[in-house]
Amino acid sequence: DVKVTQSSRYLVKRTGEKVFLECVQDMDHENMFWYRQDPGLGLRLIYFSYDVKMKEKGDIPEGYSVSREKKERFSLILESASTNQTSMYLCASSLPTSGRAETQYFGPGTRLLVL
Amino acid sequence: AQKVTQAQTEISVVEKEDVTLDCVYETRDTTYYLFWYKQPPSGELVFLIRRNSFDEQNEISGRYSWNFQKSTSSFNFTITASQVVDSAVYFCALSEAGMNTGFQKLVFGTGTRLLVSP
Repeated sequence: DVKVTQSSRYLVKRTGEKVFLECVQDMDHENMFWYRQDPGLGLRLIYFSYDVKMKEKGDIPEGYSVSREKKERFSLILESASTNQTSMYLCASSLPTSGRAETQYFGPGTRLLVL
Repeated sequence: AQKVTQAQTEISVVEKEDVTLDCVYETRDTTYYLFWYKQPPSGELVFLIRRNSFDEQNEISGRYSWNFQKSTSSFNFTITASQVVDSAVYFCALSEAGMNTGFQKLVFGTGTRLLVSP
């Protein structure tokens, strides 16, 4: 079975803290993604990675960075958390493709509250 | 630019009713893929279906069916004889084929919350 896990389901942090969200997949997928989900806005792509140590900005990368040191692990970092980063964060992974879209498989999400 | 519109924000039905969730998309590509995901209260997005732009056949899987119409740029999802367990947020998504790097960006609609009451 496809499995994407995220380190925390719920997280409460204070403004200015450095926050790490971890994502691990056991499907040997090359591609990994971080999204945030907000009411009325759907899912928006923050960053993605198509290989170890590779990363690309998504639609809303400001205020975030990522790290991919191992194939199975993709970390999202909030360098200095702000209240507008309170959101649901979803990690996903997929196989690489050429000319067609593979399905992205999602983790359970992390609900982050920044006070 | 790609865009997915799910005009229905929330739908409420009573168990055993049929319900259709609408999805309208915009893309300039001739090769693209459409997806539906289900997000139950637990939060995890569950993959339901993927269709490519060259396959307009409707699909049925148990109580779920999908109607893909390129002429109207729509990919609607119908649940027959709805059940309480169908209560969730449903997302439609669009992806253009990644010809070079293999990366495919998913563009999501804003989701439709379905409430099925007993």
